[in-house]
Amino acid sequence: DGGITQSPKYLFRKEGQNVTLSCEQNLNHDAMYWYRQDPGQGLRLIYYSQIVNDFQKGDIAEGYSVSREKKESFPLTVTSAQKNPTAFYLCASRSGRGTDTQYFGPGTRLTVL
Amino acid sequence: GESVGLHLPTLSVQEGDNSIINCAYSNSASDYFIWYKQESGKGPQFIIDIRSNMDKRQGQRVTVLLNKTVKHLSLQIAATQPGDSAVYFCAETGPTSGTYKYIFGTGTRLKVLA
Repeated sequence: DGGITQSPKYLFRKEGQNVTLSCEQNLNHDAMYWYRQDPGQGLRLIYYSQIVNDFQKGDIAEGYSVSREKKESFPLTVTSAQKNPTAFYLCASRSGRGTDTQYFGPGTRLTVL
Repeated sequence: GESVGLHLPTLSVQEGDNSIINCAYSNSASDYFIWYKQESGKGPQFIIDIRSNMDKRQGQRVTVLLNKTVKHLSLQIAATQPGDSAVYFCAETGPTSGTYKYIFGTGTRLKVLA
């Protein structure tokens, strides 16, 4: 998983609760990404950040929030406003210098009970 | 394990045979392409990449072919092994308003038969 860690691996949440997923990288990468993966679909971009203290909405940002206070860390909060939060969440990072490879973390499986 | 492979096209290959997995990409302006391998319950792993100024690139037991005319990418795996069983998907990216966002295919499940 190339120096990207996500925790926890499995997460359970009751409806109406916010929950934060952790993503840390020690690759000194500038850019970080959050994706959602659902069965039979390609990865969908939630948020991305190209530098510290800056981030942009992806294609499905509603009901999610992020912060990028440190280069190594890009936590994702799944809020109660997200209508269908049960999914596999993947964090990724990229060096940030042009078209280079995006590496993924091991993922967090979130289940809403 | 994860159910991310449900309803995906499946390629079944005999152990030792070669596998060819195909991908049609969407954006003619994309200039960088990656193949990933994803095992059940795990994050995607980088396999091989190719830039748009090339039409073929070889790695260890894998080859990627790029046909820009028809926007087609393929991954060839030589002498397929049981450990190659996984979901494989392609990704494309290129400059869009100064940022590099990736577009991912839905994937193909590779099953290696003993």
